[in-house]
Amino acid sequence: ELKVEQNPLFLSMQEGKNYTIYCNYSTTSDRLYWYRQDPGKSLESLFVLLSNGAVKQEGRLMASLDTKARLSTLHITAAVHDLSATYFCAVDSGGSNYKLTFGKGTLLTVNP
Amino acid sequence: NAGVTQTPKFQVLKTGQSMTLQCAQDMNHEYMSWYRQDPGMGLRLIHYSVGAGITDQGEVPNGYNVSRSTTEDFPLRLLSAAPSQTSVYFCASSWGLAGSETQYFGPGTRLLVL
Repeated sequence: ELKVEQNPLFLSMQEGKNYTIYCNYSTTSDRLYWYRQDPGKSLESLFVLLSNGAVKQEGRLMASLDTKARLSTLHITAAVHDLSATYFCAVDSGGSNYKLTFGKGTLLTVNP
Repeated sequence: NAGVTQTPKFQVLKTGQSMTLQCAQDMNHEYMSWYRQDPGMGLRLIHYSVGAGITDQGEVPNGYNVSRSTTEDFPLRLLSAAPSQTSVYFCASSWGLAGSETQYFGPGTRLLVL
């Protein structure tokens, strides 16, 4: 059974600071996804990572995937208040079907 | 394109009642899925479909039925609602079956079972 672990689960940071959210998973997979969810809203896709060493960046967020370590990171650079949200990673269990297992999410609060 | 739509937005049920959560997409996506989101639990896959007429179980299928008669629609049926089914339900769809595409999520249905 695929298990996906995110840490930290809660992150409070100051504007302008850098931080990293970690996503570990238990079985081999080379497909990993990051989503953002604002309170009371749906999920918005941030990144799709499909191979070992994949790195994608959008604004102040950068995601990477190390399939050998079964680890993905979401790095936040110079945080701003608008980044406050819950961030989820999700891992595809593989095969021809598309079955995602989600982490529990990281609630990020960026304080002025 | 409306994307992925879900109805209703909110629903209150009594234990034992049945209901259907509707999900539709207008992007001609083959893959559709249903998740439930509970506090502190992330999202858990209930059922999914890889095309019209084809469905399969996810991680937490008990108490739920699905069918997929058209590409556009993927309803989720609660046969006999229980308080443990109180949750937020999200429907999602995507192009590909090989996991290379992102999933688009609907706005969600908040369900309270008393």
